Amino acid sequence: QSVLTQPPSVSGAPGQRVTISCTGSSSNIGAGYDVHWYQQLPGTAPKLLIYGNSNRPSGVPDRFSGSKSGTSASLAITGLQAEDEADYYCQSYDSSLSGSDVFGTGTKVTVL
Amino acid sequence: QITLKESGPTLVKPTQTLTLTCTFSGFSLSTSGVGVGWIRQPPGKALEWLALIYWDDDKRYSPSLKSRLTITKDTSKNQVVLTMTNMDPVDTATYYCAHSRLDMSGARGHAFDIWGQGTMVTVSS
Repeated sequence: QSVLTQPPSVSGAPGQRVTISCTGSSSNIGAGYDVHWYQQLPGTAPKLLIYGNSNRPSGVPDRFSGSKSGTSASLAITGLQAEDEADYYCQSYDSSLSGSDVFGTGTKVTVL
Repeated sequence: QITLKESGPTLVKPTQTLTLTCTFSGFSLSTSGVGVGWIRQPPGKALEWLALIYWDDDKRYSPSLKSRLTITKDTSKNQVVLTMTNMDPVDTATYYCAHSRLDMSGARGHAFDIWGQGTMVTVSS
C-alpha cells in the first residue's frame, strides 16, 4: 500500500485545466524530499514529466507544471488534449523504516 | 541517445529465483552521478520501486523486498542484473529498468528520466 495517495481518476474537456494531487506525510513530501511526476500512456513505459517538484525535462510541453506545498504536491495540465489521456504517478522518497523511493497510487486522466 | 532494454524469463515457477538483465547504451555506469534502477508494475496496478545501483557500486533496496533482492552491475558489458528469490504469484508484473541522474533527483530518492520498454514476468506453476 503506497504512502503517497492520488485520486483514482480526474477528467476534463479538451482545453480545460485539470490538477492531480499527491498527498503524503511528514516522512516524505512534508520532510522536504523532491517529488517527481510520470505519465504512462496505455501499454507503454512511464515517461518523466516533472522532476524536482517543478522542473520539466527537455521536450515536455509547458502545459505540464508541478508544485509542492506542505505534505502534498500537485501536477497541473492546462489546455488539456486528447493525447494527455493516460495514467499519472507521483514519486518521492520516504524516510520511514529504512528509507526508499515510493510511488503514488496513480491517477487516470480522461479527456471527455 | 540513451536506451535500456530488459530481458529474462517470461514465466517462472513459485519458489524459483528470477534473474533479469538490463542492457543499456548511450551512457556509462562508471560516470559519476549515474544510476540504474528497477521498478515493477503488477497488471492494472501502480508502480513499485525495487532497487537501484549507483556508478560507485552503492546499492539501495526496497525495505519490504530487501531480503529477496540483489542488484549488480557489469560496467564492461553495460548491464545491470536484478535477482529476486523465492518468487510468488503476487510477483507477477512488468519489470522495468530505468536510468537515473543525481542532478535530477534531489537530496534523496531518484528521478528516472529514461525507461526501458519493460518485460512481463508471470509466476505460476
